[in-house]
Amino acid sequence: DMKVTQMPRYLIKRMGENVLLECGQDMSHETMYWYRQDPGLGLQLIYISYDVDSNSEGDIPKGYRVSRKKREHFSLILDSAKTNQTSVYFCASSSGEDTQYFGPGTRLLVL
Amino acid sequence: QQKVQQSPESLTVSEGAMASLNCTFSDRSSDNFRWYRQHSGKGLEVLVSIFSDGEKEEGSFTAHLNRASLHVFLHIREPQPSDSALYLCAVRMTNSAGNKLTFGIGTRVLVRP
Repeated sequence: DMKVTQMPRYLIKRMGENVLLECGQDMSHETMYWYRQDPGLGLQLIYISYDVDSNSEGDIPKGYRVSRKKREHFSLILDSAKTNQTSVYFCASSSGEDTQYFGPGTRLLVL
Repeated sequence: QQKVQQSPESLTVSEGAMASLNCTFSDRSSDNFRWYRQHSGKGLEVLVSIFSDGEKEEGSFTAHLNRASLHVFLHIREPQPSDSALYLCAVRMTNSAGNKLTFGIGTRVLVRP
């Protein structure tokens, strides 16, 4: 059963704290993505990873960084979180340019 | 820059009545079109992908692409209350920089019993 998992599912942080969002996939997909979803804006691509240690900025990378040390794991890091980073974050994976499979999302609230 | 717009913003249909959603894109060189469904508080579930003009059916979902008019439609045949969700259109464009998927904001569908 193909699966993308995200941890944690819900997170509350204070402004200035560091945030680590984790994503895992069991499909051996080379490509992984981080998006955020906000009302009225849809899904926006933050970062894309083409494989281990091969990461590229998406449309809104500012304030974020990523880490991919194993093919099955892709992390999103917020160093010193800001209130405008309150959002729902989705991870996705795909085999090359094929269909993207999405995780259930992480709802982050930055106070 | 690719623009993807969906209409209507929301749609209420009765159980069993066909639902039709519209997605308009801006770049004719777009090469792949996908419809996703997102139930409240959940992730995105891919429904149907279409690459060439015409129709593609997956279960009760049919995508219809007309590249010349920059439209891709989703028809939901005999929708059930469990089909109530946010429906997202995603358009892919490939160029020298790689490929990029652009999402619309979505159409919220409510299916009444």
